[in-house]
Amino acid sequence: AQSVTQLDSHVSVSEGTPVLLRCNYSSSYSPSLFWYVQHPNKGLQLLLKYTSAATLVKGINGFEAEFKKSETSFHLTKPSAHMSDAAEYFCVVSDPGAGSYQLTFGKGTKLSVIP
Amino acid sequence: SAVISQKPSRDICQRGTSLTIQCQVDSQVTMMFWYRQQPGQSLTLIATANQGSEATYESGFVIDKFPISRPNLTFSTLTVSNMSPEDSSIYLCSVEQGYTFGSGTRLTVV
Repeated sequence: AQSVTQLDSHVSVSEGTPVLLRCNYSSSYSPSLFWYVQHPNKGLQLLLKYTSAATLVKGINGFEAEFKKSETSFHLTKPSAHMSDAAEYFCVVSDPGAGSYQLTFGKGTKLSVIP
Repeated sequence: SAVISQKPSRDICQRGTSLTIQCQVDSQVTMMFWYRQQPGQSLTLIATANQGSEATYESGFVIDKFPISRPNLTFSTLTVSNMSPEDSSIYLCSVEQGYTFGSGTRLTVV
């Protein structure tokens, strides 16, 4: 069975400082991993995805994540936070190798950006 | 990636009534998924819908409460039946290709 744990429910950073949102996963096979962002009263937007290619994945808006199998981690980073980054972020896993395309969501991390 | 049109975007419904949510995809997809996001919570999978077969429901969700139709490879509906205030949530559909989501239906039951 697949699962994902987001280690922080709330992260607060100052504008212009780095962002780190932590995610650990559990998967029986070779997982696909994703980060989604949800702005208040908005839909879900895919930031980036890992599907067994390069372990360092670059996404939209300057975000990137690194797949570390030995640590079962997929942390999301950004060098410099912008006010528009304030939102809820979800780490997500699926197991297409096991024939499962359904997505299992973490509980989310709320990112606050302080001016 | 597939583009998904979902409607309605929001609705306010009386308890005891039913609401049907529609998702239209711009390409043919094998699997469609329905999720629920309760207020302040993450997303939970309700069911997986394949064309031509019964939907597969996750633990805690039943067909009588959340009947799903999948008449073809580009369309699906989810009905929330006999609604109560506890059903107030955002409901979203998704497909396996591109892992994109519909814009969601924000349901409030009064």
